[in-house]
Amino acid sequence: GENVEQHPSTLSVQEGDSAVIKCTYSDSASNYFPWYKQELGKRPQLIIDIRSNVGEKKDQRIAVTLNKTAKHFSLHITETQPEDSAVYFCAATAGNTPLVFGKGTRLSVIA
Amino acid sequence: DAGITQSPRYKITETGRQVTLMCHQTWSHSYMFWYRQDLGHGLRLIYYSAAADITDKGEVPDGYVVSRSKTENFPLTLESATRSQTSVYFCASSELLAGAGEQYFGPGTRLTVT
Repeated sequence: GENVEQHPSTLSVQEGDSAVIKCTYSDSASNYFPWYKQELGKRPQLIIDIRSNVGEKKDQRIAVTLNKTAKHFSLHITETQPEDSAVYFCAATAGNTPLVFGKGTRLSVIA
Repeated sequence: DAGITQSPRYKITETGRQVTLMCHQTWSHSYMFWYRQDLGHGLRLIYYSAAADITDKGEVPDGYVVSRSKTENFPLTLESATRSQTSVYFCASSELLAGAGEQYFGPGTRLTVT
């Protein structure tokens, strides 16, 4: 089955800097890669996703890139703000099985 | 977000007791999921359901039982709670299994087994 590795487990950045979180997956059939954000004490919520027929997707300050050959995808947050502080989860699926989540990255944005 | 609710939000129980966590969604989503969240392990799937009376095991099903007699409800039962089942439990729902849209998570239930 699918296995998703996520790095780093914790990340601290200065406000205004960029943050990058990386994930690798094992199943070459995986074709959908969402990212979820979980603020402290809250539920996870989808912030962006990408499909295997697209190499990059942007939504304001966040972007996701996908390298199918290397089987890795990354979340990029630019101009970080204190409200970006949260735990971020990547996930992957081939569509016929449930999402498999990475273990999460705790991002701290220091003002 | 009000479309998926969980109860109770907090629960303390003793080892060996049976506990049932409730999940209710108002969107008529076909799929429902139960996850547990533990530090260092992320979100791990316990069970999921494709429709009423159709359930399937996830990554960590041992010690848990689910049922789905109605589309909108998906209770999770710990038949004999153990300390290792202390965790935060999230229910989620989605229209499709995966690959075409968001899974909507409930607010979570924090369970402590003493």
